[in-house]
Amino acid sequence: QKEVEQDPGPLSVPEGAIVSLNCTYSNSAFQYFMWYRQYSRKGPELLMYTYSSGNKEDGRFTAQVDKSSKYISLFIRDSQPSDSATYLCAIKAAGNKLTFGGGTRVLVKP
Amino acid sequence: GAVVSQHPSWVICKSGTSVKIECRSLDFQATTMFWYRQFPKQSLMLMATSNEGSKATYEQGVEKDKFLINHASLTLSTLTVTSAHPEDSSFYICSANRDGSYNEQFFGPGTRLTVL
Repeated sequence: QKEVEQDPGPLSVPEGAIVSLNCTYSNSAFQYFMWYRQYSRKGPELLMYTYSSGNKEDGRFTAQVDKSSKYISLFIRDSQPSDSATYLCAIKAAGNKLTFGGGTRVLVKP
Repeated sequence: GAVVSQHPSWVICKSGTSVKIECRSLDFQATTMFWYRQFPKQSLMLMATSNEGSKATYEQGVEKDKFLINHASLTLSTLTVTSAHPEDSSFYICSANRDGSYNEQFFGPGTRLTVL
């Protein structure tokens, strides 16, 4: 079993819809949770960072963390074609190493 | 803020030659940087952790003599792929922890290496 599981998709949604992404993890020592967006042939871009259970909102993005279920989510409201990318969850315990999910490819159709 | 650059963005080399990739944190200091490798349609695989002024820590299965890492300053880490072979062709990405904010990693744009 991988430490971080993420559905590879692709996830196809119409423009304006809500995109719902999630990851599950197995290591209860994980404390810090991040979501990255990666366009093809580019480096990942940090979207959201959180370390506690609950919700965190930033513009059209909302990150949710449920430590009791070891489950994290990212929601993108009012999705745009420019949101089409691969979204990677990344989690870490204390220390510096990130553990990545496999990434979910998202396609927002005009 | 928190910009990380990589140079070159892409490189083609002949088998047996060595290639150096630079990773720079442009507007912050980074005692710790990371080097990843990514194959098409796959996630990032951590190769090594680079610490300024000390030896890099390599992940299991990564040959330290093949992938030389030098972190000579608080804003620069280099990865040298020595005696490159076609199987080393990949997308190499670095990231940096901003000093004082160790839980956020900022990534460079990546370097695409093609070995002929």
